Amino acid sequence: GENVEQHPSTLSVQEGDSAVIKCTYSDSASNYFPWYKQELGKGPQLIIDIRSNVGEKKDQRIAVTLNKTAKHFSLHITETQPEDSAVYFCAASYEGQNFVFGPGTRLSVLP
Amino acid sequence: DTEVTQTPKHLVMGMTNKKSLKCEQHMGHRAMYWYKQKAKKPPELMFVYSYEKLSINESVPSRFSPECPNSSLLNLHLHALQPEDSALYLCASSQDGGTGANVLTFGAGSRLTVL
Repeated sequence: GENVEQHPSTLSVQEGDSAVIKCTYSDSASNYFPWYKQELGKGPQLIIDIRSNVGEKKDQRIAVTLNKTAKHFSLHITETQPEDSAVYFCAASYEGQNFVFGPGTRLSVLP
Repeated sequence: DTEVTQTPKHLVMGMTNKKSLKCEQHMGHRAMYWYKQKAKKPPELMFVYSYEKLSINESVPSRFSPECPNSSLLNLHLHALQPEDSALYLCASSQDGGTGANVLTFGAGSRLTVL
């Protein structure tokens, strides 16, 4: 079955700097890759996703890149703000079925 | 309405109690999910209902019993739980439980403590 690894497990950046979180997946059939942000006491919220027919997607300060050959995808957050502090989970799935989540990255943005 | 609403937000129960967690969505989604999340871990899939029928049961103990009364509601009935069942229980929904890319929308979760 699918296995998703995520690095780093914790990440601290200064406000205004960029943050990058990387995930690798094992099943080459996976074709949908969402990223979720989970703030303390809340459920995960989708922040961006990418499908395998696209190499990059951007939404304001957030971007995701996908390398199908290497089977890895990354989340890029630019101009980080304190409200970006949260736990971020990547996930992989085939056709939006059977999501497998990465172990999570705790991002701290220091003022 | 783009929300998944879960009640209660917090629940404390003894090992002999019977309680239920409730989840509601009005987005017209036809697939609904229960996930369990332990501290500092990712969500783990428990059950999936697609078009009101149980389609996935990830070998969850029988002390957890899901129910989908209609396409907008999802319940999780709890009975004779163990302290290790203490966790955040997340409900999610997606547009289509069949083939096709789904976007999961999560609720805020129900924090369960079993004494």
